Amino acid sequence: QQKVQQSPESLSVPEGGMASLNCTSSDRNFQYFWWYRQHSGEGPKALMSIFSDGDKKEGRFTAHLNKASLHVSLHIRDSQPSDSALYFCAASESNMGYKLTFGTGTSLLVDP
Amino acid sequence: NTKITQSPRYLILGRANKSLECEQHLGHNAMYWYKQSAEKPPELMFLYNLKQLIRNETVPSRFIPECPDSSKLLLHISAVDPEDSAVYFCASSPRGGDNERLFFGHGTKLSVL
Repeated sequence: QQKVQQSPESLSVPEGGMASLNCTSSDRNFQYFWWYRQHSGEGPKALMSIFSDGDKKEGRFTAHLNKASLHVSLHIRDSQPSDSALYFCAASESNMGYKLTFGTGTSLLVDP
Repeated sequence: NTKITQSPRYLILGRANKSLECEQHLGHNAMYWYKQSAEKPPELMFLYNLKQLIRNETVPSRFIPECPDSSKLLLHISAVDPEDSAVYFCASSPRGGDNERLFFGHGTKLSVL
């Protein structure tokens, strides 16, 4: 069973729209959360991190973390066709020699 | 991302032995091998920090990693199995700390006949 579950599996939004991606962890040992994006044929690339409860905004991207419920979300404002990609939530445990566990992924399609 | 180079880019094998190579030009201490099977997330295989093997996940013994120096990583595969078909990503991070960003290469796509 995946320790990091994402929803939805796939998402389609119009250009300029808002995309909302969700992530839930089943392991309370996870301390640090990241969002990674993977375009087809490429390796994952880190978008942003969130380590504390609340919101964190970086440009068009806003992440939210609720440690009590182990829920992380990513909201993409003014979505662009170039945002079409596979998005992974990733979590790591402290003091474990750095193992980053990736979530199940959400495929985002932004329609021009 | 030309700062982490992987070779070869594509590999088609029968039951043969082969090595995947990775080199990072970021000055990072930690290097990783991740495996991504079709429709799955990347999964950690091995982690090296300053040339020392730190993590060795549950990986078949036919996969043997090697870190000749802190900027290079090799993955030797012997007698590949069809279940080994996947993209193998090399990644690096500055110190191997728990909250660091990982930088990934473009991957080597392995297809086992």
